[in-house]
Amino acid sequence: KNEVEQSPQNLTAQEGEFITINCSYSVGISALHWLQQHPGGGIVSLFMLSSGKKKHGRLIATINIQEKHSSLHITASHPRDSAVYICAVGRKEYGNKLVFGAGTILRVKS
Amino acid sequence: NAGVTQTPKFQVLKTGQSMTLQCAQDMNHNSMYWYRQDPGMGLRLIYYSASEGTTDKGEVPNGYNVSRLNKREFSLRLESAAPSQTSVYFCASSGQGWLVSYEQFFGPGTRLTVL
Repeated sequence: KNEVEQSPQNLTAQEGEFITINCSYSVGISALHWLQQHPGGGIVSLFMLSSGKKKHGRLIATINIQEKHSSLHITASHPRDSAVYICAVGRKEYGNKLVFGAGTILRVKS
Repeated sequence: NAGVTQTPKFQVLKTGQSMTLQCAQDMNHNSMYWYRQDPGMGLRLIYYSASEGTTDKGEVPNGYNVSRLNKREFSLRLESAAPSQTSVYFCASSGQGWLVSYEQFFGPGTRLTVL
């Protein structure tokens, strides 16, 4: 079993829909990261969180440490949100040694 | 600031050839990383350098070597390329953390094909 599991693997949404991507992990962590990768593009860090909730524009990330689960929400989705969203966790014993999920491919149709 | 830069962007090699992927960062970060990304799999750590002068193996180090030339530069070398090393390679950097995690900044990637 992978240490970091994301769901769904693929997601297609209509413009304007509310989107949720889930991430579950099985190791002790120092923090959880959400990253975004556009087709053919580089990887950008969206959030790093170790508790509670963070918001940036239309993106919201939450984490439940007890349940070892995090969600990334996109409100009022737009075609430019189409990308791969990657969850990664920093291990407790060495916070910068990240373990990555396989990613969720999101396509938002207009 | 350029952030994290990588060269080359694309490379095609024949089996058995060698090459070095270059990475540099201008954010004064202590820690640097090399990852590979394969379809359907998450990013996997090849090697990392927690600070200048130190390097350590990651999850998939076989077939690779690294050099932390100075604080800015971290290179990845394939001594004898194999088709299994066809992948997209990303370099990243971050602040140095042991029990804490820092945001990682990624380079644009190198798409390598080994024939």
